[in-house]
Amino acid sequence: SQTIHQWPATLVQPVGSPLSLECTVEGTSNPNLYWYRQAAGRGLQLLFYSVGIGQISSEVPQNLSASRPQDRQFILSSKKLLLSDSGFYLCAWSVRQGRNTIYFGEGSWLTVV
Amino acid sequence: AQSVTQLGSHVSVSEGALVLLRCNYSSSVPPYLFWYVQYPNQGLQLLLKYTTGATLVKGINGFEAEFKKSETSFHLTKPSAHMSDAAEYFCAVTSGGRRALTFGSGTRLQVQP
Repeated sequence: SQTIHQWPATLVQPVGSPLSLECTVEGTSNPNLYWYRQAAGRGLQLLFYSVGIGQISSEVPQNLSASRPQDRQFILSSKKLLLSDSGFYLCAWSVRQGRNTIYFGEGSWLTVV
Repeated sequence: AQSVTQLGSHVSVSEGALVLLRCNYSSSVPPYLFWYVQYPNQGLQLLLKYTTGATLVKGINGFEAEFKKSETSFHLTKPSAHMSDAAEYFCAVTSGGRRALTFGSGTRLQVQP
């Protein structure tokens, strides 16, 4: 069966520090990969999605970037965090073909102080 | 373009009462529609989805939703609420060639004893 792991689960970082959240998927090949952010009291906002290694689409201009160095690895990064980057970050995957269900990881809480 | 509107950011029901969570979508092509549930500090779990075919869709934990094209709605219902149903619920849509889901802002369900 397929599983998705993301880490760290909780992170407290000072303003201006770098960020790296990592996500890996097991049990499937060539998945679509996604990063969503859930800010307090708000819905889910799609940040990035990827259909293959090195192929990243950004949905909103922001202080964050994403990379996909391997087929089942998706990394969310920032060089300098802002207070507004605080939130709950969710990695997700779906089967490559068609409009399929998206499956989520357990999420990472980021607090920028 | 696609979008989702969830009416009511908070819904409170008594244990044993009917649960009705509203979702309306906007899509220029036939949509795929999803309901997800999120328990505190966790990722999102798929409740049910509509792709094609039967418009009444049954999901896990006794939930069901009906796709009504004429009303552009996909409301989530459960005949009898249980305390364990307290969570946040998200409606989502994907349509056309867009692989990523667009989420509504969520509805927090409270179940009173």
